[in-house]
Amino acid sequence: QQQVKQSPQSLIVQKGGIPIINCAYENTAFDYFPWYQQFPGKGPALLIAIRPDVSEKKEGRFTISFNKSAKQFSLHIMDSQPGDSATYFCAASTGNQFYFGTGTSLTVIP
Amino acid sequence: EAQVTQNPRYLITVTGKKLTVTCSQNMNHEYMSWYRQDPGLGLRQIYYSMNVEVTDKGDVPEGYKVSRKEKRNFPLILESPSPNQTSLYFCASSLRDRAVYEQFFGPGTRLTVL
Repeated sequence: QQQVKQSPQSLIVQKGGIPIINCAYENTAFDYFPWYQQFPGKGPALLIAIRPDVSEKKEGRFTISFNKSAKQFSLHIMDSQPGDSATYFCAASTGNQFYFGTGTSLTVIP
Repeated sequence: EAQVTQNPRYLITVTGKKLTVTCSQNMNHEYMSWYRQDPGLGLRQIYYSMNVEVTDKGDVPEGYKVSRKEKRNFPLILESPSPNQTSLYFCASSLRDRAVYEQFFGPGTRLTVL
């Protein structure tokens, strides 16, 4: 059973567009929600993370929106660039255990 | 350079032949964890360790063992590998500061079990 459901599976946008990736969870014990970026042949790297007491967090061009009542959170990439083409994973954690979504392959067309 | 290293990076083996994948970090992190990544399934946590001599099961621990005898090392052991353990494996580490759960991932080990 997938603890964190992620969509879409793949996404193609034009340069400058705003791709949005969505995740949903059920376990209310989760208290940390990170997003990871992974390039081919590399390990995932932390992009941005949020805790459930905050509804939005922005770091540079990356924004997490968090809806605690709906148990959903999403990643928005402003002014997307070809260099943002990668696979993105959302995750949810109790602090010790981490559950990842199935990933979204993002392609930004120049 | 702060990093998590894994060895080997690539491994092809046969069913039943015991193997160990090593993981080492030089950041003095308390927390270490192993994940497997499979197409369409994302990353799934195998085992994690809060500190030396403290390990616990993740989501998919069956068929794997770990040990944490030193803070910097967290080897993953497959006592009797099977083809369904063919996967890309990542080790990760992080500090245990309550405010920060940033995990640093290694480069991955691609394992094929024939």
